[in-house]
Amino acid sequence: SQQGEEDPQALSIQEGENATMNCSYKTSINNLQWYRQNSGRGLVHLILIRSNEREKHSGRLRVTLDTSKKSSSLLITASRAADTASYFCATESGANSKLTFGKGITLSVRP
Amino acid sequence: SQTIHQWPATLVQPVGSPLSLECTVEGTSNPNLYWYRQAAGRGLQLLFYSVGIGQISSEVPQNLSASRPQDRQFILSSKKLLLSDSGFYLCAWSRLSGATGKLFFGSGTQLSVL
Repeated sequence: SQQGEEDPQALSIQEGENATMNCSYKTSINNLQWYRQNSGRGLVHLILIRSNEREKHSGRLRVTLDTSKKSSSLLITASRAADTASYFCATESGANSKLTFGKGITLSVRP
Repeated sequence: SQTIHQWPATLVQPVGSPLSLECTVEGTSNPNLYWYRQAAGRGLQLLFYSVGIGQISSEVPQNLSASRPQDRQFILSSKKLLLSDSGFYLCAWSRLSGATGKLFFGSGTQLSVL
């Protein structure tokens, strides 16, 4: 079953704009991760935020985590056409610590 | 540096034929290894994971099996493919033992069963 659910399912923006993607989950987590997937390729890890962290930055990426609302957001600032991809959130929960992925968000950045 | 190799990139197989997908990791030892399947427009479904040689955990009942004959080799197999086995198969590894940490993915195999 899906633990993380991303929102929106698809997002289309103009180059230079910011892109905000959201993820909600149902059970308590150890950490939450965001991945990127170019069409027909494997996933690439972007950022990991632990359950005791509220915000993390990596270059143009900013991730927030609200454990009270069981939600996370990924912000990509000053988007580029090369940011066009699918983005997935994944949660790690429990003792087995396996990742559960959402269905992903398709981001299109128009040049 | 660590690398993960997964092959083939694409595969077209008839229903009822066998399957063998191979994944190898270089540059690390004792990795956790994973097989995921991604159906079109859906998220990733964990099929199998392994924390060591010969140790395989299956997540969902299915027509597939996995084996880990060597520390850095993970194989996904089927004796008789079904149409429903079509999908994008991804191998991945993680560094931490007992905790997933972040995953490093292979480039995937697009399997079409006709």
